[in-house]
Amino acid sequence: AAGVIQSPRHLIKEKRETATLKCYPIPRHDTVYWYQQGPGQDPQFLISFYEKMQSDKGSIPDRFSAQQFSDYHSELNMSSLELGDSALYFCASSSGGSLDTEAFFGQGTRLTVV
Amino acid sequence: GQSLEQPSEVTAVEGAIVQINCTYQTSGFYGLSWYQQHDGGAPTFLSYNALDGLEETGRFSSFLSRSDSYGYLLLQELQMKDSASYFCAVISQGNLIFGKGTKLSVKP
Repeated sequence: AAGVIQSPRHLIKEKRETATLKCYPIPRHDTVYWYQQGPGQDPQFLISFYEKMQSDKGSIPDRFSAQQFSDYHSELNMSSLELGDSALYFCASSSGGSLDTEAFFGQGTRLTVV
Repeated sequence: GQSLEQPSEVTAVEGAIVQINCTYQTSGFYGLSWYQQHDGGAPTFLSYNALDGLEETGRFSSFLSRSDSYGYLLLQELQMKDSASYFCAVISQGNLIFGKGTKLSVKP
């Protein structure tokens, strides 16, 4: 069965550079969530989209932006990268704009800022 | 605000039973989920409770008491492969809010 696909799996960037993370949800899922997980930390909600519109916003820095495209894939754009942005970034998808049963997570993108 | 409390670490031996508790404080509560995460891996769904009571899925069971804002995950017949972090997560206003996670170590 198709799962949530994230790319790239690993990314190394220098401080002040930009990065773009991509997420391809499970087919027919219309809702995407982005999470940031630092080492030894719990996943922190960043932002979510339902039917290509932003549905909720969490602890996402102003330096980050995201969008969901017509094919429902989503991209997280990160600018002016800081060392503290080094983390595992997960994307999750669901259908119907809710998480009332199960969220399917991608394998994550490990971003390292040096 | 929203907060979830769960123990940071639990250790048990193979074949044993372990219970991981979770208390929460949140607005707009819809349900409590549990996720397992191995080091470097993605969170994977274990169970979901929207109503009070016990949900059983194989060796894993989850319980919810909405009046007490409390739930637990019960793992039976522990295996070495169960060593992982376990997160309770509240579904609130359409989003999953995770607890800090409980690191379970299963010893031979």
